[in-house]
Amino acid sequence: SQTIHQWPATLVQPVGSPLSLECTVEGTSNPNLYWYRQAAGRGLQLLFYSVGIGQISSEVPQNLSASRPQDRQFILSSKKLLLSDSGFYLCAWSAFDSGPQHFGDGTRLSIL
Amino acid sequence: KQEVTQIPAALSVPEGENLVLNCSFTDSAIYNLQWFRQDPGKGLTSLLLIQSSQREQTSGRLNASLDKSSGRSTLYIAASQPGDSATYLCAVRLDAGNMLTFGGGTRLMVKP
Repeated sequence: SQTIHQWPATLVQPVGSPLSLECTVEGTSNPNLYWYRQAAGRGLQLLFYSVGIGQISSEVPQNLSASRPQDRQFILSSKKLLLSDSGFYLCAWSAFDSGPQHFGDGTRLSIL
Repeated sequence: KQEVTQIPAALSVPEGENLVLNCSFTDSAIYNLQWFRQDPGKGLTSLLLIQSSQREQTSGRLNASLDKSSGRSTLYIAASQPGDSATYLCAVRLDAGNMLTFGGGTRLMVKP
């Protein structure tokens, strides 16, 4: 069966520091991968998605970037965090474009 | 632009009640709709996915219906249990691509 892992589960970072969140999927190959942010009172927002290695689509211009160095690895990064980057970051995968999306347990990011 | 609304935002019911959660969307030309459950501080668990050609999907005590023409979906939970307490989110996909638009969720509390 397929599993998705995200880490760390929680992270506290100062403003201006870099960020790297990692997501990996097991039990499937060539999945579509997604990064979402869930901010308090604002619902889930798609940040990036990837249909293959090195292929990244950005849905919202922002202070963040994403990379997919391996088939089942998706990384969310920032060079300099802003206070507004605080939130709950969720990684998800799907087997094909319109297929059901399956989510990881998320990373709670607090910026001080 | 697709907008997804879930009403009510919160709901509290006694154990054993049958209940209905509502989801409405502004653009009826959807490709599919997915219902999720989110426990506090956790990721999303996929419950049901309904294709635009389907009227309903069932899984155990859950039944999701779709009325595209009126821009509505409902999630019916039979014989509710305290373990059903969670936030329930619906998300619609406009085309066969990757973009899901989420509603704000309904926070359900089932009291023993």
